[in-house]
Order: sequence, then structure tokens, then C-alpha cells
Amino acid sequence: GAGVSQSPSNKVTEKGKDVELRCDPISGHTALYWYRQSLGQGLEFLIYFQGNSAPDKSGLPSDRFSAERTGGSVSTLTIQRTQQEDSAVYLCASTLTGVTGDTQYFGPGTRLTVL
Amino acid sequence: GDSVTQMEGPVTLSEEAFLTINCTYTATGYPSLFWYVQYPGEGLQLLLKATKADDKGSNKGFEATYRKETTSFHLEKGSVQVSDSAVYFCALSDLTGGGNKLTFGTGTQLKVEL
Repeated sequence: GAGVSQSPSNKVTEKGKDVELRCDPISGHTALYWYRQSLGQGLEFLIYFQGNSAPDKSGLPSDRFSAERTGGSVSTLTIQRTQQEDSAVYLCASTLTGVTGDTQYFGPGTRLTVL
Repeated sequence: GDSVTQMEGPVTLSEEAFLTINCTYTATGYPSLFWYVQYPGEGLQLLLKATKADDKGSNKGFEATYRKETTSFHLEKGSVQVSDSAVYFCALSDLTGGGNKLTFGTGTQLKVEL
């Protein structure tokens, strides 16, 4: 079956603009995660959705970052007033359940460049 | 908080050499441990995992044993191939830390030469 998909694959934006990144998880997966991968910080957790529960936003670096998951499926990560330090690869992953140890399947990522 | 420490890279080996990439962790609970691999130009994919102490994860000739007494999960392979060249990430998830979110090490780049 289809894996996790993300769009766009690349995004170049100017400092101060807003961007939206999209993630389509594997069908039937109840949990969805956002991470980012940057040269300076490595791989960092951003936010986690599990079913209808309130999301775990503990990894969001600032209030410019927000995410939503509509209908328990597709998720959108929004970065407002982008800064150059937001440049990174943003990765989405999904799991069948949210149980610790459940395998996370990653999408190909969106490479964001803020000029 | 939770953390993962893995050896700095790059690691350069000749084909058929033995590989060890060290990984140690700190966690408040009883974590599950993972090795993910990122091949050039590709996304992260799970290599192997272990969910409790003394479990051994294995895949594609790679192995790692969950050692609670030494808080380690070292990755080993007896004979590497050029196709194993990639970046390897050690990671943990800890329910005590909240859900199934992953805490990653910094990654170790492996280069295998003929």
C-alpha cells in the first residue's frame, strides 16, 4: 500500500512569509508525528497527534509554529512569519497505534529554504 | 529528559569489514529502542528495534541488543557492503516521556569503500 506522502517536496520562501506543509499518513494509522531535521539541531520532535486526543505540542519551537489534523487523517504544519533558522527538512511519520514501540513510518520530507 | 548519544562520524570502512556503531541512552522509564537508516537521497526507514531488555533486533545482517544494565543499543554487522553506506540514527521512545515520540541521536555517517 501507499506510504506516508508529503507535499511539497521542496519549498523556497522569503523571510516573513507563511508556509503550509502537508502530510498524508498511511491509511488507518491513528497516530501522526512531525519532526524536523536540520544541520545544527539534528532530528527534533515537533508535535504528535493520537486519535481524537489533544495533540502533544511540546516540541514546537515557537508560537509561529502550529499544526492541525483534520478528520483524523491529513495534517498541515503551518509556519508563520518564517525565519532563516526555520530552514530544515520537515518530516512526517505515522504509526498504526500510539503505543510505545510501534514502528513509525516516515515520509520523504519537505525541504524548506527560507531566504 | 530523555537523550541518545551515538558515536561521531563519519566512519569509513572497507567492504567486508566488521561494523560497530555505539549508542547509549538516558530515559526516565523503560524505553523502546530503534535504529533508523537514511540512504543517500532517501527518507528515514526503520532498520531494527527492540522493545524490552535483552531483546535483540536484527535485519539485513545488522543486529543490536537492548542492554539495560549498560543503557546501550550498539549496532553491529559482521561484513559491510558498499550498499550499506548511509546515515544511521539511534532513537528511543519512552511512554513516561509522553506517547511514542522519538528522541534521536545525532546520526553516524557510514562510508563503505571497495
